[in-house]
Amino acid sequence: QVQLQESGPGLVRPSETLSLTCTVSGGSVSSGGYYWSWIRQHPGKGLEWIGHIHNSGNTYYNPSLKSRVRISVDTSKKQFSLNLISVTAADTAVYYCAREGSLEMATVSWGQGTLVIVSS
Amino acid sequence: EIVMTQSPATLSVSPGERVTLSCRASQSVSNNLAWYQQKPGQAPRLLIYGAFLRATGVPARVSGSGSGSNFTLTISRLQPEDFAVYYCQHFNEWPPLFTFGPGTKVEIK
Repeated sequence: QVQLQESGPGLVRPSETLSLTCTVSGGSVSSGGYYWSWIRQHPGKGLEWIGHIHNSGNTYYNPSLKSRVRISVDTSKKQFSLNLISVTAADTAVYYCAREGSLEMATVSWGQGTLVIVSS
Repeated sequence: EIVMTQSPATLSVSPGERVTLSCRASQSVSNNLAWYQQKPGQAPRLLIYGAFLRATGVPARVSGSGSGSNFTLTISRLQPEDFAVYYCQHFNEWPPLFTFGPGTKVEIK
């Protein structure tokens, strides 16, 4: 069964870039027709889908974040990454990486999440 | 843009009771609807996909129904481990985007 683990800085300065990496084990990021996604959850709030990348390389983003987000994949390292530019305190959240099942059209597997605080 | 709403925001129930959670889309989403359970400090867990298909390991007391723009998650005989927040999620086929509902918290009465 695929497992996902987020990694990256827990503190980011305002106006800088938030960069997170998700390492995939028990599966491949380059096959199976899956989408590899990022989802965040503001403290005490609901879930917000950020975007995903297909193993073909195509990316799709939440329209509300599209201008600041980039998701990429490194198949050699079995990782995919999130870059969010020009962050503010409103980007403070728990960030989850996840895999979306091609059959289920749902988020099947989740990482444990990592808290990123934006503060000076 | 399709907007997902859930009701009620909070539901207070006693163990053993039956609960029904509602999810509504601002327009028809066919059966592209999933439900998740999230407990404090944990990642969400997929319960239902395709509006009514149970994910692996989900007990039979959990069921999903509905189509178009109105969906329901039903948990019969609520167990202590069922107290959590439940989210619905819509998958838009093109462009392939996801949207979550705001969630319903099921708490102990």
